[in-house]
Amino acid sequence: QKEVEQNSGPLSVPEGAIASLNCTYSDRVSQSFFWYRQYSGKSPELIMSIYSNGDKEDGRFTAQLNKASQYVSLLIRDSQPSDSATYLCAVSFNGGFKTIFGAGTRLFVKA
Amino acid sequence: SAVISQKPSRDICQRGTSLTIQCQVDSQVTMMFWYRQQPGQSLTLIATANQGSEATYESGFVIDKFPISRPNLTFSTLTVSNMSPEDSSIYLCSVVPVTGESTDTQYFGPGTRLTVL
Repeated sequence: QKEVEQNSGPLSVPEGAIASLNCTYSDRVSQSFFWYRQYSGKSPELIMSIYSNGDKEDGRFTAQLNKASQYVSLLIRDSQPSDSATYLCAVSFNGGFKTIFGAGTRLFVKA
Repeated sequence: SAVISQKPSRDICQRGTSLTIQCQVDSQVTMMFWYRQQPGQSLTLIATANQGSEATYESGFVIDKFPISRPNLTFSTLTVSNMSPEDSSIYLCSVVPVTGESTDTQYFGPGTRLTVL
């Protein structure tokens, strides 16, 4: 059974701090890795994708992938109250025919 | 990314009735999926909508309960049949655009919030 696990949180950080969100997955043949942000009452919004080991930066967001450890993380620098949301980790395999979503981590950024 | 619309955005239905949800994309997509998200839960894949053929259902979901159509590359419908209160959920379609970032990057529609009384 392929699984994607996240700490459900809530993770609370002060405004301006770095928020670190973590995700582990069980399938070694997983190919693509995604982070989605979901505000309450809204649909998931893609914020980052990563395909190879290492770091990928986009603005205040950095995704980190370690395939050997089956671990993917998302760092949010200079956290803002508007970053308060649930962050979903997703792992794709089989050429995109299958994507598994984690249960999500709730993030609260305190002003 | 593709612009995805869903109709209706929300509905309140009586048990035993059926509701058809539409998903329309403004550009061609390779894959379309239907998900369910119950309150406080993550996404559960219902099925992959295949153009011109029967949808591929995940374990626990059957065609009689959730018939799906996909007549072309930009449109799909999901019907929730013979509804019960347990079907109350948000239903989301997602797509993989033809010209997207990769062959497996999914983008989500705004969702349909269904309440069954």
